Amino acid sequence: GAGVSQSPSNKVTEKGKDVELRCDPISGHTALYWYRQSLGQGLEFLIYFQGNSAPDKSGLPSDRFSAERTGGSVSTLTIQRTQQEDSAVYLCASSLASRQRGYTFGSGTRLTVV
Amino acid sequence: QQQVKQSPQSLIVQKGGISIINCAYENTAFDYFPWYQQFPGKGPALLIAIRPDVSEKKEGRFTISFNKSAKQFSLHIMDSQPGDSATYFCAARKAGGTSYGKLTFGQGTILTVHP
Repeated sequence: GAGVSQSPSNKVTEKGKDVELRCDPISGHTALYWYRQSLGQGLEFLIYFQGNSAPDKSGLPSDRFSAERTGGSVSTLTIQRTQQEDSAVYLCASSLASRQRGYTFGSGTRLTVV
Repeated sequence: QQQVKQSPQSLIVQKGGISIINCAYENTAFDYFPWYQQFPGKGPALLIAIRPDVSEKKEGRFTISFNKSAKQFSLHIMDSQPGDSATYFCAARKAGGTSYGKLTFGQGTILTVHP
């Protein structure tokens, strides 16, 4: 597609439930990133996939968070046993593996845990 | 550890004025400094970026000033317009390493330009 697509755009879930957030990067972009944006806060790095390399998971806040990227394209971020503090906008971005390029972000998934 | 500090948190400017947002970084391994603009309900979009081998970069009404010795960089928006009202993020990226593409973002500045 022309841009990074994220789904769903909004998700309301009950505390303790598992959620899956999906990201479709721009075709041909080998790098994919997940960030979290809490109300009034900056963008917090979560995880980074680059081609076939092992992902950089250093930003995942707990073992309830995991992500995978299938076939070098679509990525899914899974949050298990959601907590209220997980409420945030989850942003996905992709980029060419080039030092000259910036990220292209999706519009995000707004997650609300009630 | 907050590696990129951004100020102010919010900024109100009159139409036609100059908006200035500042960022300071700690890690001298950073080699790429972009600014992103975010409108409500949208993801951030790349606005302008600079590398540390230049002190200034200008694109239209937007200018980045870079001070390598002070480890500071700033965004100047000349002739600010109401349509510039958005949240602005500075960011920095490390040179090299297995995660060289990863950006570290500042906390963001909410800019409001009054007509």
